[in-house]
Amino acid sequence: QVQLVESGGGVVQPGRSLRLSCAASRFTFSNYDMHWVRQVPGKGLEWVALISYDGTSKYYGDSVKGRFTISRDNSKDTLYLQMNSLRVEDTAVYYCAKVAFAAAAGIELIQFWGQGTQVTVSS
Amino acid sequence: EIVLTQSPGTLSLSPGERVTLSCRASQTIRSNYLAWYHQKPGQPPRLLMYGASSRATGIPDRFSGSGSGTDFTLTISRLEPEDFAVYYCHHYGSAPFTFGGGTKVEIK
Repeated sequence: QVQLVESGGGVVQPGRSLRLSCAASRFTFSNYDMHWVRQVPGKGLEWVALISYDGTSKYYGDSVKGRFTISRDNSKDTLYLQMNSLRVEDTAVYYCAKVAFAAAAGIELIQFWGQGTQVTVSS
Repeated sequence: EIVLTQSPGTLSLSPGERVTLSCRASQTIRSNYLAWYHQKPGQPPRLLMYGASSRATGIPDRFSGSGSGTDFTLTISRLEPEDFAVYYCHHYGSAPFTFGGGTKVEIK
């Protein structure tokens, strides 16, 4: 069974930075594109970012573009989200998520989600 | 950006009832790249349907999906206790990917 374990969340002041990690196991991480998706508790889902299997292509939602950076280290089976210039409205549970189909398919369907890590931006 | 509008916002139903959820897109979703998830409190979403009408692995056949273009539907033929949750539609055709606002299916 695929396993995705997020870490790095916490409480941070507005304007500061935080880096989230997602440790992947039980599948060939380097074959799959990966997403970050966030959710304000009790609210809906918001897509944050996507990175291709090899790290060469990256896409961002408008609300985080220019502030957040998605990256990956395939030698460590780990996905990252560097979050800079954090705002109160970035407060959410952040999920990393694996796509359903291996890289060549080019289909970004989210198949499996981690349990999430809470990020709280507050002064 | 494709905006997905789900309706209704909340449904109050009893086990055994049939339920139909709607998801309308602001523009055509290419190749019917439309998925459905449900989410229970304290858990991440779980994939139910993809390609508008294909069931994900392990999803029972009481779940079915239909639609194309801009109008999509998820139907649960007979609600089981474990089906009470929030349901989200999601387009995954191209970035930016978006989710609908969700429909909560609650016990009446």
